[in-house]
Amino acid sequence: SQKIEQNSEALNIQEGKTATLTCNYTNYSPAYLQWYRQDPGRGPVFLLLIRENEKEKRKERLKVTFDTTLKQSLFHITASQPADSATYLCAPLGTGGFKTIFGAGTRLFVKA
Amino acid sequence: SAVISQKPSRDICQRGTSLTIQCQVDSQVTMMFWYRQQPGQSLTLIATANQGSEATYESGFVIDKFPISRPNLTFSTLTVSNMSPEDSSIYLCSVGGRANTEAFFGQGTRLTVV
Repeated sequence: SQKIEQNSEALNIQEGKTATLTCNYTNYSPAYLQWYRQDPGRGPVFLLLIRENEKEKRKERLKVTFDTTLKQSLFHITASQPADSATYLCAPLGTGGFKTIFGAGTRLFVKA
Repeated sequence: SAVISQKPSRDICQRGTSLTIQCQVDSQVTMMFWYRQQPGQSLTLIATANQGSEATYESGFVIDKFPISRPNLTFSTLTVSNMSPEDSSIYLCSVGGRANTEAFFGQGTRLTVV
């Protein structure tokens, strides 16, 4: 069956450092992969989408990579800030996919 | 983009009762999605609500427990029936997310069953 795996343990980093979050998937051949941010008590908010033919995508301090051979996406936040503390969710999508299925999410804590 | 209004934002209910959650979107959409997020967990898709047809439920979710209505292209309701404490969760309504488009979410309904 299809499976999406994200770091189950919380990631604690110091302000200013780069946070790297991992999303692995199995039994999937997604054409797209999305990353979302979720703050406590709120719905997820879209951050970035990367296509299977794109190796890397950037948006401000965010960078996403997509390796279809390794079946993995990495999500980087450079120069991290305490305001980046949140849960980050990945969601692989097929070409014909119409529903968003999420990984378990990784909780990030950035200490000042 | 889409703006989604969901209500109630929270409720405390007695076991055995039912709660209906409403979701209003500011634009017409073909599909609306209902998710459940149990404490400390990620989102689990309950069902896809299409206007004019019955909702499509994911494995582990049944219509008798989670009946869904979709009377028009901007509105949907999810009912949590015969509630037990295990139904205590956040319920979220969503639109979009088709292939290469982002999904938008309501603020969620925090349900506590006592």
